[in-house]
Amino acid sequence: KQEVTQIPAALSVPEGENLVLNCSFTDSAIYNLQWFRQDPGKGLTSLLLIQSSQREQTSGRLNASLDKSSGRSTLYIAASQPGDSATYLCAVSHAKAAGNKLTFGGGTRVLVKP
Amino acid sequence: SQTIHQWPATLVQPVGSPLSLECTVEGTSNPNLYWYRQAAGRGLQLLFYSVGIGQISSEVPQNLSASRPQDRQFILSSKKLLLSDSGFYLCAWSVRAGSEQFFGPGTRLTVL
Repeated sequence: KQEVTQIPAALSVPEGENLVLNCSFTDSAIYNLQWFRQDPGKGLTSLLLIQSSQREQTSGRLNASLDKSSGRSTLYIAASQPGDSATYLCAVSHAKAAGNKLTFGGGTRVLVKP
Repeated sequence: SQTIHQWPATLVQPVGSPLSLECTVEGTSNPNLYWYRQAAGRGLQLLFYSVGIGQISSEVPQNLSASRPQDRQFILSSKKLLLSDSGFYLCAWSVRAGSEQFFGPGTRLTVL
């Protein structure tokens, strides 16, 4: 059974500092990995999707890396801003899971202080 | 562009009452559809998914059910709510298995 872990559960940084968010998964037979952002009381916003064959994916200040063999992904957010404050979730889909079912980590709650 | 809608946004229901939550997707056809629940301290859990009209797969045993009466409509139901059904219900869609999933705004359900 796939298990996804995100450490730390919460993170507080001053504005301008780079953010590093970690995600680990137990079964390396993934199809893809997706990073989401969730604001309080809101739905999930997709940030980046990394296919299992990719090593990294970039979008603006966001960069996500994937090391499938070691079961890890890292989301980097450069030059953090107060607007980056949110909960960040990673999720993996299994290579043989019908319907592209996602297994989620518990999330990292980020606070960027002005 | 594609959009996903959920309603109602919030709902307060007594124990034992029925439930119907609706999700619709616009701007795409034959999407994969998903229902997730996010409960305090338990993270996001997949409840149901559907790859086509009338095709529903259940992930966890519970007193909830799902239906897909139309291509872009996904409904979550219960005949009798339990206290443990409280949570934040999220609908999601993807173009096909293995592609990016997009989530709706969610429905906050409180069962009293």
